[in-house]
Amino acid sequence: KAGVTQTPRYLIKTRGQQVTLSCSPISGHRSVSWYQQTPGQGLQFLFEYFSETQRNKGNFPGRFSGRQFSNSRSEMNVSTLELGDSALYLCASSSQEGNEQFFGPGTRLTVL
Amino acid sequence: SQQGEEDPQALSIQEGENATMNCSYKTSINNLQWYRQNSGRGLVHLILIRSNEREKHSGRLRVTLDTSKKSSSLLITASRAADTASYFCVAAGGTSYGKLTFGQGTILTVHP
Repeated sequence: KAGVTQTPRYLIKTRGQQVTLSCSPISGHRSVSWYQQTPGQGLQFLFEYFSETQRNKGNFPGRFSGRQFSNSRSEMNVSTLELGDSALYLCASSSQEGNEQFFGPGTRLTVL
Repeated sequence: SQQGEEDPQALSIQEGENATMNCSYKTSINNLQWYRQNSGRGLVHLILIRSNEREKHSGRLRVTLDTSKKSSSLLITASRAADTASYFCVAAGGTSYGKLTFGQGTILTVHP
């Protein structure tokens, strides 16, 4: 099976812009989770989608949003970018609640 | 999930030596998962041990779980330079809806 894919791999934006990141889970996986990783805060959970519904959300401002499509692909959007949004954004898919998650390579976002 | 606390924070060994990392958690769990992250292969799930298991092996990895002490250990035998990475434990209990809580991890450096 193909692994989790994320596009784009690298992105440079300026403050105030918005960005959309995409994630394709492993075939058959219906749960997609998103994480932000920074040197200072480590890995932090953003949100999780299952069957097109957001089931869980981390402690991030409303500028961070996401959605999931009927084929389980997911996107996350960050509006009004801030310098502090510079991070590695990882998505992961899972086949079942409580099981291991399989991570994509991440999207490295730099906000200038 | 709940955050596991890895110990030590950093570990430096020579190739061929064994590496042991420990993890402690606070409340009851369904399973405990170990992940590895390095620059080359991203964040990868290594092994999952369920609460009713005491030991599990996967290749050069050996994981133990002691639910009475709320602790787990990861042993990597005959370490290689390619094992250089950060290692995270995640204690999964209850219904987490896709949320894994990562700690700061153990940074393992294997010197050739």
